[in-house]
Amino acid sequence: AQSVTQLGSHVSVSEGALVLLRCNYSSSVPPYLFWYVQYPNQGLQLLLKYTSAATLVKGINGFEAEFKKSETSFHLTKPSAHMSDAAEYFCAVMEYGNKLVFGAGTILRVKS
Amino acid sequence: SQTIHQWPATLVQPVGSPLSLECTVEGTSNPNLYWYRQAAGRGLQLLFYSVGIGQISSEVPQNLSASRPQDRQFILSSKKLLLSDSGFYLCAWSRDRGMFAEAFFGQGTRLTVV
Repeated sequence: AQSVTQLGSHVSVSEGALVLLRCNYSSSVPPYLFWYVQYPNQGLQLLLKYTSAATLVKGINGFEAEFKKSETSFHLTKPSAHMSDAAEYFCAVMEYGNKLVFGAGTILRVKS
Repeated sequence: SQTIHQWPATLVQPVGSPLSLECTVEGTSNPNLYWYRQAAGRGLQLLFYSVGIGQISSEVPQNLSASRPQDRQFILSSKKLLLSDSGFYLCAWSRDRGMFAEAFFGQGTRLTVV
């Protein structure tokens, strides 16, 4: 079975600083990986996805993620944090039937 | 364009009462439909998914059930709510073809069982 581990349930950065949210996956087949963002009391919005094309994936709002097979990782980064980036971020791996297996989520706090 | 509607947005129900949450999708046909639950401090857990009318797969044993009476309608129900049913419920859809098809989520329902 596939699984996702997000290291750090809470991450705090200063405005303008680098954002790094960690995600490691476990999969017996080539994975299809996603990052979603959730603002308070709202649904999830897709940030980016990896589907075995380029290993560096660019998403919305200046976020990007790099797929590293040797490290089984798919970390999310953004060069400069903005206050509006404060939200909860979920990494997910897709199973057969387009079912998503989510990590526990990381709450990002941006300090002014 | 496709849209997904989920209601109600918030709900407070007493223990033992019934539950019905509704989700509808517009602008697409034969979508895969999903119900996820997000409990406080935990990630999202897939509860049910459906690949067609009347076809429901349950991912975890629980006090809830799901139905798909129409192609673009997905309903989450319970006959008697438990305190542990509290959480944030999210409906989602994806295209029926393609392994890489991302899921599109509704705005969610915050359920509090008291």
